Amino acid sequence: ETGVTQTPRHLVMGMTNKKSLKCEQHLGHNAMYWYKQSAKKPLELMFVYNFKEQTENNSVPSRFSPECPNSSHLFLHLHTLQPEDSALYLCASSQETSGSGANVLTFGAGSRLTVL
Amino acid sequence: GQNIDQPTEMTATEGAIVQINCTYQTSGFNGLFWYQQHAGEAPTFLSYNVLDGLEEKGRFSSFLSRSKGYSYLLLKELQMKDSASYLCAVRDGDYKLSFGAGTTVTVRA
Repeated sequence: ETGVTQTPRHLVMGMTNKKSLKCEQHLGHNAMYWYKQSAKKPLELMFVYNFKEQTENNSVPSRFSPECPNSSHLFLHLHTLQPEDSALYLCASSQETSGSGANVLTFGAGSRLTVL
Repeated sequence: GQNIDQPTEMTATEGAIVQINCTYQTSGFNGLFWYQQHAGEAPTFLSYNVLDGLEEKGRFSSFLSRSKGYSYLLLKELQMKDSASYLCAVRDGDYKLSFGAGTTVTVRA
């Protein structure tokens, strides 16, 4: 496996369920990100981890809980979600959280979440 | 806050040229990126501009004017596989990117 892999690709859950999204990167990167992509809206940054430490929580509701056990894996734990949380959740990685040089983000294909 | 504007949709004919404009108003500037996203797939990196001018990469070129808060992505010799959403993103001073809503390009035969 290469690049950034996300599972599951599709998830349907009720508002009382608990589920988790998983992201794995095989690029040797040190920074990992969760973004939310809703139809016709800009990508919204949710969480950032750099060297396993959370460096950004972009005012995300507590019903979304991230976990980064090592630099290659990132999880997003979901509980008591609302229908408006239905969206594509994209994971990305980069060499580190740096504002110098290109420091390009590599994205996974996303997990399409539907909350009923 | 950050404000990044790009057209919602564009349609062009196979073999033609399309220019996707992006204007931005951000609190700082430390680079502008273009990504391509096919339906159901990951966004993939196309180009990075940090200095004014044109960056050419095969059929794709990206231009930046920092004084005008303006960039464009130029797609030449359009192919059907170029039908996708194109995302403009600005890095505003630290490492975080602010994205536009994306421009859906449809290439017709």
